[in-house]
Formats: sequence, structure tokens, C-alpha cells
Amino acid sequence: EVLLLESGGGLVQPGGSLRLSCAASGFSFGTYAMTWVRQAAGKGLEWVANMNGSGERIHYADSVKGRFTISRDNAKSTLYLQMNSLRAEDTALYYCAKDMGGYYFYGMDAWGQGTAVTVSS
Amino acid sequence: QSVLTQPPSVSGTPGQRVTISCSGSSSNIGTNSVTWYQQFPGTAPKLLIYSSNQRPSGVSDRFSASRSGTSASLAISGLQSENEADYYCAVWDDSLNGWVFGGGTKVTVL
Repeated sequence: EVLLLESGGGLVQPGGSLRLSCAASGFSFGTYAMTWVRQAAGKGLEWVANMNGSGERIHYADSVKGRFTISRDNAKSTLYLQMNSLRAEDTALYYCAKDMGGYYFYGMDAWGQGTAVTVSS
Repeated sequence: QSVLTQPPSVSGTPGQRVTISCSGSSSNIGTNSVTWYQQFPGTAPKLLIYSSNQRPSGVSDRFSASRSGTSASLAISGLQSENEADYYCAVWDDSLNGWVFGGGTKVTVL
């Protein structure tokens, strides 16, 4: 069974930083692309960033480019999202998701339960 | 304002067939395969459709989808109360180099 467990969320002041983690199990982690998607309360889904299995293809949404960094440690089966210069509009539930593809991106077939990030003074 | 346009809500009576539209452009739906996700309140999204019209194992065959030009649609036949949820379309956008989601459609069973 594929399991994705996010952690690292919390309350942070504007301009602050957080590092989210996503511990994966139940599949060959390094074979698949991984994605971060967020959802503000009462709003729709918003793609944040993704990375292919070996880590050479990385993409960011314009809204986070230059502030967020996605990375992965395939030896630890863990995905990360380093979030700097946080803004109030980054407040959301952050989901980690597994892609069906390894090099190319085909869609997210497994999702974690999310970790909540609140940016407020 | 989402890159993909979905109706905010659709409704139907039990047993009815409802469809959800998803309108995009040549850089996304016009080029790449569409995925659909189902989300119940307070839970994570679930993949419903991939490659525009394929169902993952375990997804009911009452869900079907299609793509034509720069639009896609999801159909739910034999509507049941358990189908009340939010539904999102998503597709890779070659111009934006990223996934784009529709704004979501809330399905209500009357």
C-alpha cells in the first residue's frame, strides 16, 4: 500500500521559513515523480512544485518561484519543500502526491493527508 | 481565476447522468492528457481519471471522461448520494511548464 505522510507544517510569521517533509512508503520512491499541491481553506487545488524521479526535472508555480525549493532524498524515500519568505497567501493545506510517471508527469495517483501551514503575525 | 474553467456546481437526482465540463487551451488540454480528481470534504483528493479517459483500478465504471479539442468532460451515470463531492480537472500546461487545475465543481444529489 502506498503511504505518504507529510509533516513540518505550523504557524509562521510573514517572511519566515518552514520545511515540509513527505515520508513515502509502499513503492519504489526513486522511480516516480513527486508533487506538492496546496489548498487554501474553502478553495480549490493549486499545484506548487514537482520533481521527476531522479531529480533533474524540477518545476515551480509562478506564485512560489524563487521562494520555495523542492528536493528529494531517494535513499530516505522522502520529499521536501523548503519554503522561504512566506506570505499570508501561502496559508494552506499542503499535500504531497505521487505521480504515475517517473521522468514525465502523468497525474497524481496517491496523495497524503496534508500538513497545514499558517502564515500570520 | 483558474487556467481551466469548470462550472462551480452541478446537480442531479439519483440515477440521473450528470456531466462536468473543463475548458482549457491549446497549451494544456489541446496537447496533453487530462486527469480528474474527486475530493470529499476534509479528505485528500483521489485520482478518478487519467490519460483523459482511463479509470484507475477500483474506480467505478459509472465514471467516464472524454477530451475533444481544448475541452474535456467528466460524466457520472447512475448518480448516487455517495457521489456528492468536489471534482477537479487537471492537465500539464506546456506554456506554464506546470500542472493547472480547474476551479472545481461541486456535485449535489437532489
